[in-house]
Amino acid sequence: NAGVTQTPKFQVLKTGQSMTLQCAQDMNHEYMSWYRQDPGMGLRLIHYSVGAGITDQGEVPNGYNVSRSTTEDFPLRLLSAAPSQTSVYFCASSYSVPSGGYTFGSGTRLTVV
Amino acid sequence: DAKTTQPNSMESNEEEPVHLPCNHSTISGTDYIHWYRQLPSQGPEYVIHGLTSNVNNRMASLAIAEDRKSSTLILHRATLRDAAVYYCILRSRPPYTGANSKLTFGKGITLSVRP
Repeated sequence: NAGVTQTPKFQVLKTGQSMTLQCAQDMNHEYMSWYRQDPGMGLRLIHYSVGAGITDQGEVPNGYNVSRSTTEDFPLRLLSAAPSQTSVYFCASSYSVPSGGYTFGSGTRLTVV
Repeated sequence: DAKTTQPNSMESNEEEPVHLPCNHSTISGTDYIHWYRQLPSQGPEYVIHGLTSNVNNRMASLAIAEDRKSSTLILHRATLRDAAVYYCILRSRPPYTGANSKLTFGKGITLSVRP
């Protein structure tokens, strides 16, 4: 089925470890972005990309890196995990001239201990 | 980004209509009004968007005030599955070439549906 696929769905990390959250979409969307959601809060933008090879920072970029080598993939890297990065992470994609809106993945629940 | 204001929560009865309000008094002439919802333990889901005229789709209707300073998302017959957080978001018109491509989420309205 067409959509946004995030892996893994759950992850536990130790403080200081690094990891990559994967995001892939098969809708040929130009735009992709990463959000985090903490309990009782709305979504906050981490990084976004308007096309392959182009990325920019969002509201809360510190501690995260991204790259966009293909249209389909937009991985999010945690360089040195901290407990403050415990959150649910959502990846989203859309067309540049949307007939609808963003399509979101089902999320990755990350716990840093 | 222009800001939206929504009540924290609302309750409705199953099979009755629900009107979810949103105020956006600083909306610019090129801002679209988007609504998303987030079911428990799921990612947000696009619901509807509009610019000036009222809009209908299979999920909901969007009523936009004539001065565009407020809008209302209308669920015609609430079901238990409609219990979710509903976000009203302003987004500048396309094409999206950079910072205007992003969505800025507030806290949304938590809708509860009583059986």
